[in-house]
Amino acid sequence: AQSVTQPDIHITVSEGASLELRCNYSYGATPYLFWYVQSPGQGLQLLLKYFSGDTLVQGIKGFEAEFKRSQSSFNLRKPSVHWSDAAEYFCAVGFTGGGNKLTFGTGTQLKVEL
Amino acid sequence: NAGVTQTPKFQVLKTGQSMTLQCAQDMNHEYMSWYRQDPGMGLRLIHYSVGAGITDQGEVPNGYNVSRSTTEDFPLRLLSAAPSQTSVYFCASSYSISGRFEQFFGPGTRLTVL
Repeated sequence: AQSVTQPDIHITVSEGASLELRCNYSYGATPYLFWYVQSPGQGLQLLLKYFSGDTLVQGIKGFEAEFKRSQSSFNLRKPSVHWSDAAEYFCAVGFTGGGNKLTFGTGTQLKVEL
Repeated sequence: NAGVTQTPKFQVLKTGQSMTLQCAQDMNHEYMSWYRQDPGMGLRLIHYSVGAGITDQGEVPNGYNVSRSTTEDFPLRLLSAAPSQTSVYFCASSYSISGRFEQFFGPGTRLTVL
């Protein structure tokens, strides 16, 4: 069965600093990979997704993620964080033929210091 | 399009009561899912459906029933609520093109069982 690990429960960065959120997955084949963001009391918004091809994926709000097969990782990055980026971020893995199900990591809570 | 809608937004139940969480989507998506979100555990799949009349269990199905009589609706039933079912519940729908998919989430239902 597939699994997703987000090793950082909480991360604090200063506004304007760069950000990298880590995500590692366990799956026997090439998975589909997703990053979602959740603001307090809100639902989940898709930031970006990876299915195949170019391993550097661009998303909304200036985020990008890089798929590294050798490291089973799909880390999320942003060059300059804004205070409005404070939220919880979830990495998720899915695969074709599986009923479009997703397995989520436990999330990383991002705090932005002004 | 309204997307994925969930009702109610908030609900308080007493142990042993039953209730149905409603989920509807107007995007004509074949696939629908229910997840629960608990602190520190990310989102976990309860049940999912790959089309009208077809449902299957996810990771944490115990205590929940589902049915899918139409493409649009996917209600989640709690037959006898327990405090362990206190959680935030998210419904999602998705399409699939050549095996690739994207899930769209509803705003969630916050359930408290006393």
